[in-house]
Amino acid sequence: AQSVTQLGSHVSVSEGALVLLRCNYSSSVPPYLFWYVQYPNQGLQLLLKYTSAATLVKGINGFEAEFKKSETSFHLTKPSAHMSDAAEYFCAVSEGRELIFGTGTRLQVFP
Amino acid sequence: KAGVTQTPRYLIKTRGQQVTLSCSPISGHRSVSWYQQTPGQGLQFLFEYFSETQRNKGNFPGRFSGRQFSNSRSEMNVSTLELGDSALYLCASSLEDGGETQYFGPGTRLLVL
Repeated sequence: AQSVTQLGSHVSVSEGALVLLRCNYSSSVPPYLFWYVQYPNQGLQLLLKYTSAATLVKGINGFEAEFKKSETSFHLTKPSAHMSDAAEYFCAVSEGRELIFGTGTRLQVFP
Repeated sequence: KAGVTQTPRYLIKTRGQQVTLSCSPISGHRSVSWYQQTPGQGLQFLFEYFSETQRNKGNFPGRFSGRQFSNSRSEMNVSTLELGDSALYLCASSLEDGGETQYFGPGTRLLVL
């Protein structure tokens, strides 16, 4: 079974600083990978998806992620954090018809 | 298009009761999946339905069941509720098959007292 590891359950950045949220997957073949964001008392919103078409994937709200097969990583970045980015972020891998999620990273943005 | 809708949004039940949650997928989406989210266990897959058939099931006891109707709407049922069933239950819909993007609803927050 596949697994997803998100390093750092909490990440704090200043407004305007670089955001880097880490995700590593366990699959031996390039999988479908996703980043979702969850705001308080809401469901999951898709940020971006990797489908092997391109290693650098651009998503909504200025986020992007780079697929690195050699490192089995799919880290999420944003050049400049905004207060509205404060939320919980989940990395997920598709295994058949099931999404396997990481444990999530809570992003705090300080003014 | 309207997104995935879930009803009710909040629910309070007592131990031993049963509960039914409803999910309406995005128009045209035929696959519906259910997930349970708790602080301790995170996001866990419950089951997935397509064309009224359960195609995949996660590692949950038989108290958790679901069904899908011909219009793709889905319901999940939890019988003999336990305190540990308190969670956010998320429904997601997708067009079809693995690899397709799943779009999530706002969830139903269930509290079992």
